[in-house]
Amino acid sequence: DTEVTQTPKHLVMGMTNKKSLKCEQHMGHRAMYWYKQKAKKPPELMFVYSYEKLSINESVPSRFSPECPNSSLLNLHLHALQPEDSALYLCASSPPRGNILYGYTFGSGTRLTVV
Amino acid sequence: SQQGEEDPQALSIQEGENATMNCSYKTSINNLQWYRQNSGRGLVHLILIRSNEREKHSGRLRVTLDTSKKSSSLLITASRAADTASYFCATVLNDMRFGAGTRLTVKP
Repeated sequence: DTEVTQTPKHLVMGMTNKKSLKCEQHMGHRAMYWYKQKAKKPPELMFVYSYEKLSINESVPSRFSPECPNSSLLNLHLHALQPEDSALYLCASSPPRGNILYGYTFGSGTRLTVV
Repeated sequence: SQQGEEDPQALSIQEGENATMNCSYKTSINNLQWYRQNSGRGLVHLILIRSNEREKHSGRLRVTLDTSKKSSSLLITASRAADTASYFCATVLNDMRFGAGTRLTVKP
């Protein structure tokens, strides 16, 4: 299995809702990442997990809460989002320090719309 | 935060022609990677070039890296309509940061 699976593919949520994005990989990668991408812009790094521990948080607002329950699964919990948080949320994985030697494997993303 | 700039921002060519995209960056790097993205979906890793390498080939792709100028280029030879996509360079030091991207359109 050489894929990163993200669910759901599309999500519409109100500003008072709580929802979660899910990302799963079975490649044995021990580093996982969340990126946010606005339309016609490059992906921006949000969080990095290495060996299930949060290693980088790019000053992301607390309404985004990441969780890595095990080495195969990465969640992004969403609460009280704003319309400007509407974007494509991309999950990626790599071997440990894989960014040094290998590329990342990306999921196809969750397109989030906040209304 | 974005690491670098890419040019051109958009490129339109005919099938069979070569496409060249450039990437400039600002900081030291460990390696530089190129990714492709179709229609705002997931990114696909194309090629990685280490900071001590100057040129790398993969199929129809040729990447160059000039660390003294902090720049890289991606050449796609004999382009096809299926190459239509956005192309991003990404620089890696402690984590990976993407450049602004080039939107390539290959007309049949």
